[in-house]
Amino acid sequence: GAVVSQHPSWVICKSGTSVKIECRSLDFQATTMFWYRQFPKQSLMLMATSNEGSKATYEQGVEKDKFLINHASLTLSTLTVTSAHPEDSSFYICSARSRDSHYNSPLHFGNGTRLTVT
Amino acid sequence: AQSVTQPDIHITVSEGASLELRCNYSYGATPYLFWYVQSPGQGLQLLLKYFSGDTLVQGIKGFEAEFKRSQSSFNLRKPSVHWSDAAEYFCAVGARMGGATNKLIFGTGTLLAVQP
Repeated sequence: GAVVSQHPSWVICKSGTSVKIECRSLDFQATTMFWYRQFPKQSLMLMATSNEGSKATYEQGVEKDKFLINHASLTLSTLTVTSAHPEDSSFYICSARSRDSHYNSPLHFGNGTRLTVT
Repeated sequence: AQSVTQPDIHITVSEGASLELRCNYSYGATPYLFWYVQSPGQGLQLLLKYFSGDTLVQGIKGFEAEFKRSQSSFNLRKPSVHWSDAAEYFCAVGARMGGATNKLIFGTGTLLAVQP
């Protein structure tokens, strides 16, 4: 149980285009989803917290107009990288917490999306 | 501010040898602590967690971790390492956000290599 599906697993796009990444909780409802970015050989940096039906909360230094997050349902959150540039190339990972779990319960992670901007 | 430190960036052990990965945290209240493992190009899998109670917690794949409040540590151990344990390991602390939401703060990770 507690499966999080992330799509696509990898994507290559041209500079200036936008890319959408989907994060779905397959067998549970997630009121909160988190988006992380991971640079090569580095840790996961939290980009934003997505709450169903409300605006996302962005971490300091993350451009909300560039990284658009939508959490329209209890099972789906999307991250759209707008006007992508090569420096946006990274590994993006989403995670979700079940609505029925304690707020400190473990997160369930997707398998990540490798974005390469050429 | 909350933070997690994993002093060892890279560790190599022989198959069958014991393993200990270090983790130190900084958090003002009782911490909620986690260890996750990441295989190349994959997401993260939870190994174990500590919320309260017994300070020695057992996880999956034969891993265990011990919470030591006096040392602000939560080191991960395994008595006998298998080649399939080669991966990157992340320690994380649950940090309280506004309201009832919590977020995870990750350490920088320890890359484990296993020699035959």
